[in-house]
Amino acid sequence: EVQLVQSGAEVKKPGESLKISCKGSGYIFSNYWIAWVRQMPGKGLEWMGIIYPADSDTTYSPSFQGQITISADKSISTAYLQWSSLKASDTSMYYCARGSSYFHYWGQGTLVTVSS
Amino acid sequence: ETVLTQSPGTLSLSPGERATLSCRASQSVSSSYLAWYQQKPGQAPRLLIYGASSRATAVPDRFSGSGSGTDFTLTISRLEPEDFAVYYCQQYGNSPQTFGQGTKVEIK
Repeated sequence: EVQLVQSGAEVKKPGESLKISCKGSGYIFSNYWIAWVRQMPGKGLEWMGIIYPADSDTTYSPSFQGQITISADKSISTAYLQWSSLKASDTSMYYCARGSSYFHYWGQGTLVTVSS
Repeated sequence: ETVLTQSPGTLSLSPGERATLSCRASQSVSSSYLAWYQQKPGQAPRLLIYGASSRATAVPDRFSGSGSGTDFTLTISRLEPEDFAVYYCQQYGNSPQTFGQGTKVEIK
């Protein structure tokens, strides 16, 4: 069974750094793209970027380029989304999903709260 | 980027009724690369339709997708109680991928 399991909720202060994770199982992790999707409170879905774990080829949405870093460690079947300096506006639910086009498999989401 | 506009914003219907949801793109979506998702409160989105009209695994046949170019439709033939949720369209034919803002289907 394909599963994507994300790390737990985080509460951070503005300016702090953060790295959240998404661990895949039930399939060959390296062979499938992983995407990150943001959902701000009460809002819709936003595609942030994708990574191919086999070679770490990464593409970012222009809206998020320079604001985030997507990475992966294929040896432990895990993808990451990180920020070097969080802002209050980064408060959102973040989902990982498998695929480079449509997304059949999703993680359960990681809630990130940024507040002073 | 390709902007997807979903309408209506909210659809108030009764169980058993037919739901028709629209997704209009600001430019033609390559190869009908359009998907539909259902999201319930506190849950991750669930894939319903891909390639504009192909149902995902285990999706009931009351869900159907149609359209091409810039105009796409998700139809739920007869609403079941579990179908009341928010629905999003997504285009993955043009870079970057984008989602619509969602249509909420609520119980009338």
